This record gives sequence, C-alpha cells and structure tokens, in this order.
Amino acid sequence: QSVLTQPPSVSAAPGQKVTISCSGSSSNIGNNYVSWYQQLPGTAPKLLIYENNKRPSGIPDRFSGSKSGTSATLGITGLQTGDEADYYCGTWDSSLSAEWVFGGGTKLTVL
Amino acid sequence: EVQLVESGGGLVKPGGSLRLSCAASGFTFSSYSMNWVRQAPGKGLEWVSSISSSSSYIYYADSVKGRFTISRDNAKNSLYLQMNSLRAEDTAVYYCARVGPALGPWGQGTLVTVSS
Repeated sequence: QSVLTQPPSVSAAPGQKVTISCSGSSSNIGNNYVSWYQQLPGTAPKLLIYENNKRPSGIPDRFSGSKSGTSATLGITGLQTGDEADYYCGTWDSSLSAEWVFGGGTKLTVL
Repeated sequence: EVQLVESGGGLVKPGGSLRLSCAASGFTFSSYSMNWVRQAPGKGLEWVSSISSSSSYIYYADSVKGRFTISRDNAKNSLYLQMNSLRAEDTAVYYCARVGPALGPWGQGTLVTVSS
C-alpha cells in the first residue's frame, strides 16, 4: 500500500490529453513539493516535473504539473505512442518517520 | 554530462550481505544529497535511504532500518549501500538518484536477487 494514491491505469488516443492524479495528506503533499517521474519500459525512472509544476531542461511543455491542497495532477497533452510508460508521483513526507514517498504508479496506454 | 552508475548487485542467499556502489560524474557530488530507491520485479518505486551532502543527515525506510547502511565518499564521488541480513523481499533493482530539488537524474540500476 503506497502512501500516495494514484490510479493504476489511464488511457487515451494519440493527440488527446490525459491527467493523472496523486492524492496524499498534510504530512506529504500538503506541505512539500511534488515531483513526477516517467519510467519507460525497461528503463530507469526519469524526472519529469519538480516543485509541483517545473520542467527540467529537455522536458517538452506537453507535460505539466499542478498541486492543490493534498493532491497533485500530472497533465500530458498531444499524446504520442512514445509516452506509453509508468508515471509516479513523489514527495517528502515530514511525519515522524521522515522519508521520501511515492505513489503506486500509473500505467499510461496510448491507444 | 551528469552520470550515475550503480554496481555491486548480484545473487545472494538469505541472510547474506552485499555492498552496492554508485559512481557519480559530471557534477559536484559533494554538494548534493543522494538517495537509494528500489523497485521489486513488476512493482512500484520504494525509497530506501537518503544521505545529505556531508553525511550529517541520514534516513532509512523502516523496511531496511538496522540492516542497511548508506554512506558516501565525496573524495571518490561515490555513494554506497551496505546491505546485511538480506531477505527475499529485498529482491529488486536498486537505483541511486541525486536529490535537488527532486530525484534526478537516476542511475541505470543494479539488480539484487536474494534467493537460496
């Protein structure tokens, strides 16, 4: 059971838009920055979004992030078949057991 | 180019030990906190441990506390994970990742298999 809650899967057609939600609590998302990671099949995770809505150099603006209260959302527009991957949200949890926490991951299928 | 390369994985029997290494290049290693994150076969990401830039702050997941030890050698641009009393549930790909401001970049990972 992951600390952050994500839908197991989402799907959409090429060219369409999809959103992936990430729900947490006041000890994690509510008081810390959220980041998002893309893991293409057979590869290591890659940072996609940091500090809720910022994109590292090289990440296209088709990818966006937002946060409200104890939830965060990853948006992907203009879907491409190459976007098929697992997506994870992550943040620091500042409860007694200080730790990084992740969502369970969301499998994106581009139909 | 920023690069992280893990090594040291392999097959080990339950109760055994293994030491993972992560060689960093392309950035000022001593300025960054570092993490170990693992991924069991077919499962999601699980944070394992964090160490601050000067080793002053160290954190562990409850699942590995007392069995794993994170360390670093800034002179050698290297991060380590000493894993003792290994269990079957420790079987995973272990990634090192730079912290700042989120986790990235990540290494390619090294597979640890705990089996008799």
